[in-house]
Amino acid sequence: EIVLTQSPGTLSLSPGERATLSCRASQSVSSSYLAWYQQKPGQAPRLLIFGASRRATGIPDRFSGSGSGTDFTLTISRLEPEDFAVYYCQQSGSSLFTFGPGTKVDIK
Amino acid sequence: EVQLLESGGTLVQPGGSLRLSCAASGLTFSSYAMSWVRQAPGKGLEWVSTITGSGGSTYYADSVKGRFTISRDNSKNTLYLQMNSLRAEDTAVYYCAKWNWNPGHFDYWGQGTLVTVSS
Repeated sequence: EIVLTQSPGTLSLSPGERATLSCRASQSVSSSYLAWYQQKPGQAPRLLIFGASRRATGIPDRFSGSGSGTDFTLTISRLEPEDFAVYYCQQSGSSLFTFGPGTKVDIK
Repeated sequence: EVQLLESGGTLVQPGGSLRLSCAASGLTFSSYAMSWVRQAPGKGLEWVSTITGSGGSTYYADSVKGRFTISRDNSKNTLYLQMNSLRAEDTAVYYCAKWNWNPGHFDYWGQGTLVTVSS
């Protein structure tokens, strides 16, 4: 089973700042099978990025994904008030799908 | 617009059974794999199970294998999760989600249904 580790656990930033979230896999993951989701309290997760770097429909271009192999990054170029949430990475490189534990982005 | 609506969550005793349903609309249901993902209170997301569009192949997390069964009725555009031998650790919000194989991602999610396993 591929284990995903996300860091940091919590990121405290101010609106307008840049957020850099890391997702590390215990073994290599094809870029085609790495996705990122945003979840706000009381809501279902929302797809942000798939294929490591492709934005989902309707996702603002301040969100970008990058990386390959075992190291992937989600970057939010300038935080908007609505971006404060929990972010999860997810891989599906094997028949078992796994999520990372999440990074909470909160207001400093 | 794709909509997924889960139902069936409730309070159930340990060792009991429950069937969740997910009604889908706005898509050609039989063309897409579907999944269940759960989230325990205050915890992260955990993939539970996936079924192919035809229903011919199913996949399970080790934590539910042998206890849960995923199925679908394409004539009713409905996904199911039969949960048996329920444990306290199965307490969670259960989401149904549409799965895309390549690139792999869950692109649409329901609002979730809460299952509580407690005596």
